[in-house]
Amino acid sequence: GAVVSQHPSRVICKSGTSVKIECRSLDFQATTMFWYRQFPKQSLMLMATSNEGSKATYEQGVEKDKFLINHASLTLSTLTVTSAHPEDSSFYICSANRDEYGYTFGSGTRLTVV
Amino acid sequence: QKEVEQNSGPLSVPEGAIASLNCTYSDRVSQSFFWYRQYSGKSPELIMSIYSNGDKEDGRFTAQLNKASQYVSLLIRDSQPSDSATYLCAVNFSASKIIFGSGTRLSIRP
Repeated sequence: GAVVSQHPSRVICKSGTSVKIECRSLDFQATTMFWYRQFPKQSLMLMATSNEGSKATYEQGVEKDKFLINHASLTLSTLTVTSAHPEDSSFYICSANRDEYGYTFGSGTRLTVV
Repeated sequence: QKEVEQNSGPLSVPEGAIASLNCTYSDRVSQSFFWYRQYSGKSPELIMSIYSNGDKEDGRFTAQLNKASQYVSLLIRDSQPSDSATYLCAVNFSASKIIFGSGTRLSIRP
């Protein structure tokens, strides 16, 4: 199959702190992973493309210094939300593509910044 | 700007009927098209992928693609209450990146 595991599923943090979200491909190697953000009743918005061994590619309007992406291995990508603020509260979802199985999503991380 | 358009709904369909979901996209060179189902508070799950013109059937689901019209649809036969969810159309515009439509909320009424 094509299983993508994402942790944590839910996190509450204080304003000004940083939060790290992990995304792992469990049964395949993913040179590319994708990070999405979804606000309530809205669609998934692509934030960035994570590339193993190189810099991430960020979508227009996404602050790369605020949303740090590291893709140090073929099975792990991390997204760190730095100096989080209440407006960063959202549902963050990672995805990876395994050809014959298409794009598979992690279970998502519900971030609440208080 | 690459766009994927969907009617946000809600679309209400009686149980047992056919639900028809539609999607248009802006880029003629797009090659891969996907339908995802998303339940509230959950991440999307892939229902169908389609790459060539025509129909593709999988169980109760049929995806239809018309590249000339830049149109892709999803039909759900014998709709069940468990089909009530938001359905996301996604299009691969370049390399490996896919863009999602805003989603259509489908409600199956018993």
